[in-house]
Amino acid sequence: EVQLAESGGGLVQPGRSLRLSCVASGFTFGDYGMHWVRQAPGKGLEWVSGISWNSGSVGYADSVKGRFTISRDNANNSLYLQMNSLRLDDTAVYYCAKWGSGFGSWGQGTLVTVSS
Amino acid sequence: ERVMTQSPATLSVSPGGRVALSCRASQTVSRNLAWYQQKPGQVPRLLIYGASTRATGIPARFSGSGSATEFTLTISTLQSEDFAIYYCQQYDTWPFTFGQGTKLEIK
Repeated sequence: EVQLAESGGGLVQPGRSLRLSCVASGFTFGDYGMHWVRQAPGKGLEWVSGISWNSGSVGYADSVKGRFTISRDNANNSLYLQMNSLRLDDTAVYYCAKWGSGFGSWGQGTLVTVSS
Repeated sequence: ERVMTQSPATLSVSPGGRVALSCRASQTVSRNLAWYQQKPGQVPRLLIYGASTRATGIPARFSGSGSATEFTLTISTLQSEDFAIYYCQQYDTWPFTFGQGTKLEIK
């Protein structure tokens, strides 16, 4: 069974940094692209960033480009999102998701709250 | 960036009915389109990928159609568990983008 477990969320002040992690199990992590998707309270889904199986290709939403960095460690079945210069509108639940012609597997999410 | 526009924002339908949810892309996404269902307090569930292929375990009452810039998710014979928010998502080009969602509510 595919399992994705995010961690690292919390309350942070505007302008500060946070690093999210996602640990995967139940599949060969290194064979799949992985992504981060977020959902602000009461709002819709927003794709944040994605990374190919070998880290050779990465992409970012315009809203986070230059501030967020995605990375992965295939040896440790882990996905990361380094979030710098956080803004109030980055407040959301952040999900990691496994790519395979659609996001077929999602973690339960970790809440990031940006507030002074 | 490909902007995905869903309509309507909210749809009120009676159980047993049939609905068609629309998703339009600002530029062609070929057939690189997925549909998701999200219920309150739950993570999204993949319904359709490749515009028309049902994901594993998805009932046959869910069907997808379309290509290029116009897509439709059809749900025939609505069940009580189908009342939720539905999102389309293009994965033709980065940045991947979601539509704003269509809320399906009980009439």
